[in-house]
Amino acid sequence: QQQVKQSPQSLIVQKGGIPIINCAYENTAFDYFPWYQQFPGKGPALLIAIRPDVSEKKEGRFTISFNKSAKQFSLHIMDSQPGDSATYFCAASNNAGNMLTFGGGTRLMVKP
Amino acid sequence: DTEVTQTPKHLVMGMTNKKSLKCEQHMGHRAMYWYKQKAKKPPELMFVYSYEKLSINESVPSRFSPECPNSSLLNLHLHALQPEDSALYLCASSHGMRGSSYEQYFGPGTRLTVT
Repeated sequence: QQQVKQSPQSLIVQKGGIPIINCAYENTAFDYFPWYQQFPGKGPALLIAIRPDVSEKKEGRFTISFNKSAKQFSLHIMDSQPGDSATYFCAASNNAGNMLTFGGGTRLMVKP
Repeated sequence: DTEVTQTPKHLVMGMTNKKSLKCEQHMGHRAMYWYKQKAKKPPELMFVYSYEKLSINESVPSRFSPECPNSSLLNLHLHALQPEDSALYLCASSHGMRGSSYEQYFGPGTRLTVT
């Protein structure tokens, strides 16, 4: 019930491409869905987050699409750059965000 | 300012040592967290403090002992660790109040190696 499944595990795109990372959840009580970006040796950085009352949220080159009926959400990175190469984690939470359930992570490489 | 600081950045300790990890935030957050992260894995929640009281312990072995001296500080005391405890230890904080922002902010982590 608490699991968040993330795919793919790894992704390679060319510069300017649009990598898409997908997550699916089971617990319908989840009401907050953040994405984190993590560079090697660093802590995860909050990238963008969405609540289930909207279907899409955009911040800069990053867009979250949310499908409540399918219990799925995804991250799109527009005009990807080599500097976007990192590990991306989706997560889900309820209860004032105190318990984040993370997906398994996606290692993204953007080739120049 | 969304900064969470952690010290030290790196720590090497023997299995008989006692050491402490420190975490600090000045965002007025009332929830603070310790996570453990192994290579190529997501962070695993260890402890949650809410209003300086331990609210969640995810069945963490007693060789890890958390402490929250005040609303800005969080410590993790380490004693008699095992080599498999080597990992990146992350601190995080959030508002922690119902109806407020859910955003959870992470520090840079302490890379712990147990020899």
